[in-house]
Amino acid sequence: DGGITQSPKYLFRKEGQNVTLSCEQNLNHDAMYWYRQDPGQGLRLIYYSQIVNDFQKGDIAEGYSVSREKKESFPLTVTSAQKNPTAFYLCASRPRRSSYEQYFGPGTRLTVT
Amino acid sequence: DQQVKQNSPSLSVQEGRISILNCDYTNSMFDYFLWYKKYPAEGPTFLISISSIKDKNEDGRFTVFLNKSAKHLSLHIVPSQPGDSAVYFCAASPGAGSYQLTFGKGTKLSVIP
Repeated sequence: DGGITQSPKYLFRKEGQNVTLSCEQNLNHDAMYWYRQDPGQGLRLIYYSQIVNDFQKGDIAEGYSVSREKKESFPLTVTSAQKNPTAFYLCASRPRRSSYEQYFGPGTRLTVT
Repeated sequence: DQQVKQNSPSLSVQEGRISILNCDYTNSMFDYFLWYKKYPAEGPTFLISISSIKDKNEDGRFTVFLNKSAKHLSLHIVPSQPGDSAVYFCAASPGAGSYQLTFGKGTKLSVIP
């Protein structure tokens, strides 16, 4: 089955630790995105990547880092510099250059205490 | 500064009736609009979209209307079903080679049997 997978579904970390969230897609999509959702809020863009080995900051990139070494994979690292890391993190991909629709993975709920 | 606004955090509708979800935007550069549906602890699912060159787009029970002069769009669901109960996000893109989406905060729709 084609799709976007994010693992794990739930993640718990202690404050001060870096944590990496996984995002994999087998849809052959070029562009990939990371969003964060907080209660009562919309989705806010953290980072995005249009092609392999290239990525751009979104609206709230501070305290996060990404890599795009393979087309299928776009991992997000939440560093200890992120002041409020507890949130629901969503990965998305977009099929082709002329398409606006983004397709989302199931999300990872990160809790930092 | 919210560029995409969904002013109703919640909406309750009787099964079989029409649901109307509203969205306003402030950025006149937005050229393409999308609606997503989201269940708790899951990723959003793309529903329907509309380009600024149209004022209406239909897909089964879902119709999106766009009023560019008022910078307003709405999603109509007819007839509403209990399975439609979810959070609905409006999103907008500037187009012209930019495929980034700006999301509203969402409206929680409850369809009462």
